[in-house]
Amino acid sequence: QVQLQESGPGLVRPSQTLSLTCTVSGGSISSDNHYWSWIRQHPGKGLESIGYIYYSGSTYYNPSLKSRVTISVDTSKNQFSLKLTSVTAADTAVYYCARDYSTPKTGWSYGMDVWGQGTTVIVSS
Amino acid sequence: DVVMTQSPLSLPVTLGQPASISCRSSQSLVYSDGSTYLHWFQQRPGQSPRRLIYKVSNRDSGVPDRFSGSGSGTDFTLKISRVEAEDVGVYYCMQGTHWPPAFGQGTKVEIK
Repeated sequence: QVQLQESGPGLVRPSQTLSLTCTVSGGSISSDNHYWSWIRQHPGKGLESIGYIYYSGSTYYNPSLKSRVTISVDTSKNQFSLKLTSVTAADTAVYYCARDYSTPKTGWSYGMDVWGQGTTVIVSS
Repeated sequence: DVVMTQSPLSLPVTLGQPASISCRSSQSLVYSDGSTYLHWFQQRPGQSPRRLIYKVSNRDSGVPDRFSGSGSGTDFTLKISRVEAEDVGVYYCMQGTHWPPAFGQGTKVEIK
């Protein structure tokens, strides 16, 4: 059974870079059938998609965050990562990694069937 | 991009009574293969979201049969036949027909 675990600093200073890693266990990140995604949830708010990555390195970023986001994959470590630059208090949120049954070729998505437990990131000086 | 609109945003319900959540999309969610990629997620307080239903009406493994999904085109509904205390939380619809996938705003279900 595939499990995901987010890791990274819980506190980031304003203007610095938020860096998180998601470790995939119980399965391979090099799945032909899955995108790997980052989603965040501001306090008391809904779900916001940050972006997706396929094991080949193909990515999609939310246009509202695109200028600040980089998602990368390390197949040797079975991990994918999120970097968000120039953070402000507005980036304070719970960050989730998740697996989506979708690929760059399919065009559709079955939605996220596996989620990490989420990690809280606070942006504050 | 496709916009997903849920209603109501807050739904107080009595234990044992039914509940219904509506989700509308700004475009038809019928894909070229004839399938409709509309999914429902549940997020209990303090927990990660979990998918309840995929492709309109298919329950995920372990999801009680009191949850059902229906709809077509642009209008979809999640129904809980008899609400239990463990059903408290926020429910999101999500479309996966048009890239990028998009969530609705969420509907908070609480017990009266």
